[in-house]
Amino acid sequence: SAVISQKPSRDICQRGTSLTIQCQVDSQVTMMFWYRQQPGQSLTLIATANQGSEATYESGFVIDKFPISRPNLTFSTLTVSNMSPEDSSIYLCSVVPDTTYEQYFGPGTRLTVT
Amino acid sequence: ELKVEQNPLFLSMQEGKNYTIYCNYSTTSDRLYWYRQDPGKSLESLFVLLSNGAVKQEGRLMASLDTKARLSTLHITAAVHDLSATYFCAVEGDSNYQLIWGAGTKLIIKP
Repeated sequence: SAVISQKPSRDICQRGTSLTIQCQVDSQVTMMFWYRQQPGQSLTLIATANQGSEATYESGFVIDKFPISRPNLTFSTLTVSNMSPEDSSIYLCSVVPDTTYEQYFGPGTRLTVT
Repeated sequence: ELKVEQNPLFLSMQEGKNYTIYCNYSTTSDRLYWYRQDPGKSLESLFVLLSNGAVKQEGRLMASLDTKARLSTLHITAAVHDLSATYFCAVEGDSNYQLIWGAGTKLIIKP
């Protein structure tokens, strides 16, 4: 398994500002992902965070809006840039430990944009 | 494009009853996952199903996979209130571990 922490756990932000979310894992993992879960909805994959190279974004998500860093195999950040109320969501990071098929999720960051 | 459909989306049932949640997906996939999410919480992995005919059980929950029918089921036996949660199925897409999610089934179990 993997123990994942995220910071902050929640935040309320003003429109037009940016927020950086951190994801820390207790062991080195190759596969790390960022998801968005809008209120009452299912999960949507934003991107795969690649260590040492640019993240791989899913359709509908762009680097200018959601820049991602992955400086090492235990840490990643997701920035939500130039926020609007439509960005209000829970943002979750997930990992797949190298020895298993299971995907584990962090506790999430609940973002409200006013 | 891979699509995942769950039904029902909402289920209210009495304790002690049995019920099944269905997860259909549109194209072939190597792995199917079931997760539980409690209100305001993150996701808890329940099962990973890897092959046709796979069946896994944990307590009152049992999951199965029929890859030919592109169907997975999550069966609840003798439901108890503590199982109230939202249950998601997810299917692996084109790239390893990139999951496509069902809409979720909100399960309420009344005492």
